[in-house]
Amino acid sequence: QAQLVQSGAEVKKPGASVKFSCKASGYTFTSYFVHWVRQAPGQGLEWMGLINPSDGNTGYAQMFQGRVTMTRDTSTSTVSMELSSLRFEDTAVYYCARRSMRFYSGLDVWGQGTTVTVSS
Amino acid sequence: DIQMTQSPSSLSASVGDRVTITCRASQAVNSALAWYQQKPGKAPKLLVYAASRLESGVPSRFSGSGSGTDYTLSISSLQPEDFATYYCEQSYSTPQTFGQGTKVELK
Repeated sequence: QAQLVQSGAEVKKPGASVKFSCKASGYTFTSYFVHWVRQAPGQGLEWMGLINPSDGNTGYAQMFQGRVTMTRDTSTSTVSMELSSLRFEDTAVYYCARRSMRFYSGLDVWGQGTTVTVSS
Repeated sequence: DIQMTQSPSSLSASVGDRVTITCRASQAVNSALAWYQQKPGKAPKLLVYAASRLESGVPSRFSGSGSGTDYTLSISSLQPEDFATYYCEQSYSTPQTFGQGTKVELK
């Protein structure tokens, strides 16, 4: 069955960077976009961006432009996201999720989430 | 950016009740609308995509409808496992955006 497995929890200081990984299995890695969504404590879902594993093309939410970089490694079916210049308000659970390349599909498989705590 | 507004923000209901949650987009999203269920400490789960298509394995008591800017998620007979927070999401344009969520609580 399709699965996304994310890297473990991180604690970072303000100004530092964090890199997440999201390893796909059970499906054709290059046939689905991978999106990143975060959720601050007690808050809703916030879309951060996406990557097309087939060609590496990315699209980022404006509020993260310049701070986020998404990459993929097709040899290991892994997508990575790096977030730099961390702020206290970046404390959140970060999820990766896949979406079919068909129009109007949903995010049908999610990773388990990675908790990032930004603390001095 | 397309803004997604859900209503209500929360509701109290009993097992067996019919529940309806509404999502309004700030501009038409052409049925590129999905609904998710999230329980505490868990990742969201896809319920409905393309406004009205039920994801495989989701109980038939869930249904979605709507077009243009207005969409609805209905639960025909609320079950104990349905108490959760529900989110709509538009994927018509980038950035994809979520509603603020509707928390369904036990009355």
